[in-house]
Parts: sequence; C-alpha cells; structure tokens
Amino acid sequence: GAVVSQHPSRVICKSGTSVKIECRSLDFQATTMFWYRQFPKQSLMLMATSNEGSKATYEQGVEKDKFLINHASLTLSTLTVTSAHPEDSSFYICSARLGQGQGYTFGSGTRLTVV
Amino acid sequence: GDSVTQMEGPVTLSEEAFLTINCTYTATGYPSLFWYVQYPGEGLQLLLKATKADDKGSNKGFEATYRKETTSFHLEKGSVQVSDSAVYFCALVNQAGTALIFGKGTTLSVSS
Repeated sequence: GAVVSQHPSRVICKSGTSVKIECRSLDFQATTMFWYRQFPKQSLMLMATSNEGSKATYEQGVEKDKFLINHASLTLSTLTVTSAHPEDSSFYICSARLGQGQGYTFGSGTRLTVV
Repeated sequence: GDSVTQMEGPVTLSEEAFLTINCTYTATGYPSLFWYVQYPGEGLQLLLKATKADDKGSNKGFEATYRKETTSFHLEKGSVQVSDSAVYFCALVNQAGTALIFGKGTTLSVSS
C-alpha cells in the first residue's frame, strides 16, 4: 500500500536552533501533503496544507515564519521548525492524500524535544 | 468551522466486553467520516470509513454507521481483545474537501 516515510522519528535540539522534518511518499506521488501537531493526550491539530510547487496554506494561529513548509517535489515535503523553543516540543505528523475517495496515509511521526 | 467531538477517555474494558466510543460532528454538508487507530509507538492507521448517510463502515470487527439525523459516527465492537488497546480518533474531511479534522482521541485499554 501507499507509504509515507517520515524522518527523523525523534530529535532533541537546543533552544534557538532549527530542525527539519522530512516526509517522503515511497510508492506514489503526493500532490498534497498535510502537517499535523499532536500535543500529549490531545488531538492532531492541522497546521498546514502543502501542495507541490506552490506555497503552503497555513491554519489560523500557525506562524508561517516559524514553521516553514516546502513541497518541492511530488514525493517530498519538509517542515522546518525555525528558532525552536521548548514550547515547540511536540509530536509532528505528516499525511498525504491518496486520491479522490481513496483516503489518506500518515507518516509515523516525529517526536521533537527542545531543551 | 468543522469539528469532531468524541467521548473522553480512557476507556478500560475486560477482554470480550462490548465497546462503544461516541463521536459526533459539526460540518457543512455531508462530509466523509473516518475512524483511525494509533497503536502504541506507531502512526495512524485507517480503521474504517463511511462516505454518505446510512453507510456502515466495518473492519476487524469494528463498525460505525453514518447517522445524518444525529450527526454521529459511533464506533462499536462486540468483543474487544487485548490487542485492541490503542488510541482511537474520529475524523472528517474538512469543508474544503482536503484535510482531515480529528477529534481528541479516546484511549482504550483492554485487560485480560
């Protein structure tokens, strides 16, 4: 089946540094990818929608300059958390839409800890 | 905007007990509805879905029926197993027809 590979699975970084998270579609082309953030014991919050070759669409309240999304190819989308702070510590998950009526597939998530 | 409300957890059951996890939604029109499951340490997996009113999604003994009149999509299983212990998320496709909007998740713990 369609698989989205997300890396890294865990990352610890120092406050003020930037972290890049990658999501690759392994056996299909992902025109649209989504980035979610999951707080402990809370739901997945949609952060942004990225379309290949165009600017991402961010949800209300998500800082575009802090969470940089790039979707330069049909198989790769990246999320860069810039100037990370401890409050950015969270679980980030990417998702790709498989096609009309075919549902969605998810990456395995990235646990970001900012110290 | 579109939203999903599901029952608070955790839900703790003994093996072979009956399971219900309630889910209601608020949306414009008739969105497709989903249940996703997240096993410990893993990503989300689609459990079942329904795309129109009165549709019943089913998989691995789990069922949910799309009820337009009550805007609900409750998840049920007649006899749970220890291996069903996981977090269950109810979701719908957003108004733009693109991304999934999730409920808060319900943790299910099944003991033998």
